[in-house]
Amino acid sequence: SQQGEEDPQALSIQEGENATMNCSYKTSINNLQWYRQNSGRGLVHLILIRSNEREKHSGRLRVTLDTSKKSSSLLITASRAADTASYFCATGPLQGAQKLVFGQGTRLTINP
Amino acid sequence: DAGVTQSPTHLIKTRGQQVTLRCSPKSGHDTVSWYQQALGQGPQFIFQYYEEEERQRGNFPDRFSGHQYPNYSSELNVNALLLGDSALYLCASSFGLNEKLFFGSGTQLSVL
Repeated sequence: SQQGEEDPQALSIQEGENATMNCSYKTSINNLQWYRQNSGRGLVHLILIRSNEREKHSGRLRVTLDTSKKSSSLLITASRAADTASYFCATGPLQGAQKLVFGQGTRLTINP
Repeated sequence: DAGVTQSPTHLIKTRGQQVTLRCSPKSGHDTVSWYQQALGQGPQFIFQYYEEEERQRGNFPDRFSGHQYPNYSSELNVNALLLGDSALYLCASSFGLNEKLFFGSGTQLSVL
């Protein structure tokens, strides 16, 4: 079963705009990660935020985590055509933090 | 530095057959996890191998089994295939208990 729910399921924006994706989860976590998947193939790790962190940056990516609301957001700034992909949040539980539970993903399309 | 490699990339089987999928972890990694991703869904955790033993298991029946060899490579075996086993099977590796996973490109299994 999927723990995370992602919102929106699909997002289409113009190149250069910012894209925001949200993720909600149900149980307490050790960490939350975001992954990107191109064309239904392998996933690429983007960023990991631990349960005691509130915000993290990596290049054009900004992730926030609100454990009281059990939610996270991923912001991609100055989007590029190459950012077109599916984005998944994945939670690592308190016991067995590597046993990731993925959401259903957000399909992001960047229009040139 | 080779990343995670999986073979074969595509596979077609019929109901009731058995299948073996293979994975070589990223160089320096000793932990292998397997995920099943149905079309349009996020990946679901099947199991994890470390030191040649199954350490964690998701909600999958005993028809799904695995193995890890001394060189850390791993196999996923599925017996008595069902139509619902059609999916992308992803292998991910990590070093020890590091939560960040590196994924292979997956094996697309079609059961007819």
